[in-house]
Amino acid sequence: GAGVSQSPSNKVTEKGKDVELRCDPISGHTALYWYRQSLGQGLEFLIYFQGNSAPDKSGLPSDRFSAERTGGSVSTLTIQRTQQEDSAVYLCASSPLSSGELFFGEGSRLTVL
Amino acid sequence: AQSVTQPDIHITVSEGASLELRCNYSYGATPYLFWYVQSPGQGLQLLLKYFSGDTLVQGIKGFEAEFKRSQSSFNLRKPSVHWSDAAEYFCAVGAPGDTDKLIFGTGTRLQVFP
Repeated sequence: GAGVSQSPSNKVTEKGKDVELRCDPISGHTALYWYRQSLGQGLEFLIYFQGNSAPDKSGLPSDRFSAERTGGSVSTLTIQRTQQEDSAVYLCASSPLSSGELFFGEGSRLTVL
Repeated sequence: AQSVTQPDIHITVSEGASLELRCNYSYGATPYLFWYVQSPGQGLQLLLKYFSGDTLVQGIKGFEAEFKRSQSSFNLRKPSVHWSDAAEYFCAVGAPGDTDKLIFGTGTRLQVFP
């Protein structure tokens, strides 16, 4: 199908390692979001990209977290020097311009040992 | 700042029974309101949304929600639950004109017994 695709679906890493999570949004969607879903915590907003505008990074929990979006399409979320508290499901979503309807991928489950 | 509260962490109902999932929000004006559903092993899917107008909105899968300004609530309802409705339900709020950053509640897990 033509939904939001995320990879890897599961990632186990050791504390202190860097990880990259990838998101392929729906073609033509101008907005792309990253959320983090932890048990009992709901969805935590991380970062938002809209077209060529500067991203809204207000939700990134620390400077170990960064994200980029190349060519207005694919996005990569990078977590440096992972910590155990980074363990969560990282969800990517895309949306047509300010529609309010986010289309989510199935997420990347990160486990930091 | 916007916030969303879903007071029920876990709800169990029998198949065929009616359902109401609670959602309360905090926002200085009338926000945009959403309900999403996350079925096991699947991504979140939009059930319905409220921007303005009629305070009772219809969504997919037979769900509806009612915006009550006086109670700052946007409760989700379904008259007769099906076993396939077992999932986690998230309420979300966005700022009018800036729905780009949705704030989500912590979710309500629905279990359906036959």
